[in-house]
Amino acid sequence: AQKVTQAQTEISVVEKEDVTLDCVYETRDTTYYLFWYKQPPSGELVFLIRRNSFDEQNEISGRYSWNFQKSTSSFNFTITASQVVDSAVYFCALSPYGGATNKLIFGTGTLLAVQP
Amino acid sequence: NAGVTQTPKFRILKIGQSMTLQCAQDMNHNYMYWYRQDPGMGLKLIYYSVGAGITDKGEVPNGYNVSRSTTEDFPLRLELAAPSQTSVYFCASRDFGGRNTEAFFGQGTRLTVV
Repeated sequence: AQKVTQAQTEISVVEKEDVTLDCVYETRDTTYYLFWYKQPPSGELVFLIRRNSFDEQNEISGRYSWNFQKSTSSFNFTITASQVVDSAVYFCALSPYGGATNKLIFGTGTLLAVQP
Repeated sequence: NAGVTQTPKFRILKIGQSMTLQCAQDMNHNYMYWYRQDPGMGLKLIYYSVGAGITDKGEVPNGYNVSRSTTEDFPLRLELAAPSQTSVYFCASRDFGGRNTEAFFGQGTRLTVV
């Protein structure tokens, strides 16, 4: 069975602080995809990053970075020097890499509030 | 490309009424999904489809039905609306096997059952 846990329900930081959003997953699949999505107050879902299970290289994109650790089943997301525009709900998601079933399961999300 | 289009954007239903939420994608994606998002909550998978003619239940399928007669369309049917189905519904599509495997989402349908 697949499961994604985002234990942090809400995080509040002051602008320019660094913040890490945690994501822990469970799956029996040997190959799988992990994703992060952002949902700003306007409500749409914005894709941020995809990582496949056989690529453990960490990734940095501007102020965003992702740390994938297969040994601990975690795929954490760090925002460096946070800005008010980063305020949103962030979702982590998991999908098997192949097979007849292709469920895409989301965590419960972390609400990030960045105060000016 | 329009991407994933959901209609309607808003709807108010009375208890016991039925309706179909429409979802269409023009990216020739194999996989399509329906999610619901309750206020302040995450996305829960209702139904999904891996191709035309194939559908399967997700985490919260009760009270809903789907069909996938074409690659493009994946409508979600509510037969007897209940207040517990008040939610925002998102449809998504995904092209597995290609380079881009992330899901593309529609803008959502906000449904209120009174």
